[in-house]
Amino acid sequence: DAGVTQSPTHLIKTRGQQVTLRCSPKSGHDTVSWYQQALGQGPQFIFQYYEEEERQRGNFPDRFSGHQFPNYSSELNVNALLLGDSALYLCASSLLTHGETQYFGPGTRLLVL
Amino acid sequence: AQSVTQLDSQVPVFEEAPVELRCNYSSSVSVYLFWYVQYPNQGLQLLLKYLSGSTLVKGINGFEAEFNKSQTSFHLRKPSVHISDTAEYFCAVRANTGGFKTIFGAGTRLFVKA
Repeated sequence: DAGVTQSPTHLIKTRGQQVTLRCSPKSGHDTVSWYQQALGQGPQFIFQYYEEEERQRGNFPDRFSGHQFPNYSSELNVNALLLGDSALYLCASSLLTHGETQYFGPGTRLLVL
Repeated sequence: AQSVTQLDSQVPVFEEAPVELRCNYSSSVSVYLFWYVQYPNQGLQLLLKYLSGSTLVKGINGFEAEFNKSQTSFHLRKPSVHISDTAEYFCAVRANTGGFKTIFGAGTRLFVKA
């Protein structure tokens, strides 16, 4: 049973560029959440997707957007990258009926130069 | 809204000694509580969770935590630590109704010395 997978594992971009990160949820899960973890800090909630809709959003600007596909996989897009966007981006999946239990992927480490 | 405070940023401890990692939370509604562990260059792994019922929760790797509603705390304990327990530990909270976001503390770095 495959767990949560994320791609790519590492990414280097320059300021102003755009980036897309990908997440495949654990088998059987229908809900995907994205978190940003800056160095030395705890993860911060970006948003959650269920049935291809954004259900809730954290305190992140509109430069951060997402998408969920019919197969429940998800993408996180960040436009106009800033140096401060450098972080580990974590994807977590859950089953709607057991939404309190999330399984995290290994993350994508983004460095913005 | 919820918030989480992890009272210690770093906890050094000798191997086979007991350890307690402290976590306080704030919320105007009832919550679910979690402890996660993060090893270097990895994602988060769930150690244990409190949803309801017994206030003493047992998790993986010999860890346990006690939910104290009056003190709004959820401290993590292990009676005897191993070198392999060296990692970052995160306490987290989520409202049990009307919300989907999980709020994490800043983390506690547990360093187990030989």
